[in-house]
Amino acid sequence: SQTIHQWPATLVQPVGSPLSLECTVEGTSNPNLYWYRQAAGRGLQLLFYSVGIGQISSEVPQNLSASRPQDRQFILSSKKLLLSDSGFYLCAWSKGGLYVGEPQHFGDGTRLSIL
Amino acid sequence: AQSVTQPDIHITVSEGASLELRCNYSYGATPYLFWYVQSPGQGLQLLLKYFSGDTLVQGIKGFEAEFKRSQSSFNLRKPSVHWSDAAEYFCAVGARKTGANNLFFGTGTRLTVIP
Repeated sequence: SQTIHQWPATLVQPVGSPLSLECTVEGTSNPNLYWYRQAAGRGLQLLFYSVGIGQISSEVPQNLSASRPQDRQFILSSKKLLLSDSGFYLCAWSKGGLYVGEPQHFGDGTRLSIL
Repeated sequence: AQSVTQPDIHITVSEGASLELRCNYSYGATPYLFWYVQSPGQGLQLLLKYFSGDTLVQGIKGFEAEFKRSQSSFNLRKPSVHWSDAAEYFCAVGARKTGANNLFFGTGTRLTVIP
């Protein structure tokens, strides 16, 4: 069966510091991968998605970037964090390739607090 | 463009009572529709999905949802709510295309269950 891992679960960072959140998927190959941010009391905002290694699409302009160095690894980064980057970050995967309308499956999230 | 509206931000029901959470979508064709549940501090768990065929869809944990094309709705129901159902519920719509299976989420409905 497929599993998705996100770490760390909780992170407290000062303003201006760098960020690296990691997400890995097991039990599947060539998945689509997604990064979402969920602000308190808000819905999910899609930040990035990827349909293959090195292929990143950004949904909103922001202080963050994403990379996919390996097939089942998705990394969310920032060079200098802003207060507005605080939130709950969720990684998700879905079947890639020619599958249509596949559901997304989520990790347990990372709670990021910026001081 | 796709969009999802969950008109109820917060719903409170008594344990054992029936539940209906509303979801309206906007999409130019027959969409893929999903309901997810999120417990505090956790990721999202897929409850059920609609692709085609029978418009009444059964999911996990005793939930069901009915797709009504004429009303552009996909409401979630449960005949008898348990205290463990207290959580945030998200409706999502996906496009019928290959490649990235991007989903558009509603802003969620928080369910409180009282004894």
